[in-house]
Amino acid sequence: NAGVMQNPRHLVRRRGQEARLRCSPMKGHSHVYWYRQLPEEGLKFMVYLQKENIIDESGMPKERFSAEFPKEGPSILRIQQVVRGDSAAYFCASSPPSGQQYEQYFGPGTRLTVT
Amino acid sequence: KQEVTQIPAALSVPEGENLVLNCSFTDSAIYNLQWFRQDPGKGLTSLLLIQSSQREQTSGRLNASLDKSSGRSTLYIAASQPGDSATYLCAVSGGGADGLTFGKGTHLIIQP
Repeated sequence: NAGVMQNPRHLVRRRGQEARLRCSPMKGHSHVYWYRQLPEEGLKFMVYLQKENIIDESGMPKERFSAEFPKEGPSILRIQQVVRGDSAAYFCASSPPSGQQYEQYFGPGTRLTVT
Repeated sequence: KQEVTQIPAALSVPEGENLVLNCSFTDSAIYNLQWFRQDPGKGLTSLLLIQSSQREQTSGRLNASLDKSSGRSTLYIAASQPGDSATYLCAVSGGGADGLTFGKGTHLIIQP
């Protein structure tokens, strides 16, 4: 059973470009989470999704950031018009469906650098 | 708003020592608590998960305890090895499927 997969592992964007980060959850997992780790800071929750639904986006910046988890395919975190302050490691996690322990399993992360 | 604090921020000990990492949280209404390790430039590896109704969990040389009423958890590492060097993160969930609130971690170095 493959773990949580994220790609790309490293992404370089110039200011003003768009960044698209992809996450494929573990097989059988229906819950996907996105977290951001800024340099010298802890991990911060951004958004929680299930298939075709955003459940909790309380940690998402109000502008330029969006997330989706379509019926088919990976979850996507999209950052429009990137700025230098968006440079960070973005981690995706997944957990099993309801009724289980909700243990979250993390992917290797995407390291975004904005130049 | 839940806040998670980890003490110490950094720790360096000789190989073979037993050690304790501390985690505290401000809101005791948690669903579960997870301990992770993060190696430099890598993702997070889940070490132990403790449900709010449990007092401790063990995996190999690791033992995690939870005192929910006082808002504390400890991670005990027995007979430390250089391969244990990493950053250890504590995280709590307020509800079953909620996002996790993380501490800033304890950076652990085990000297050979």
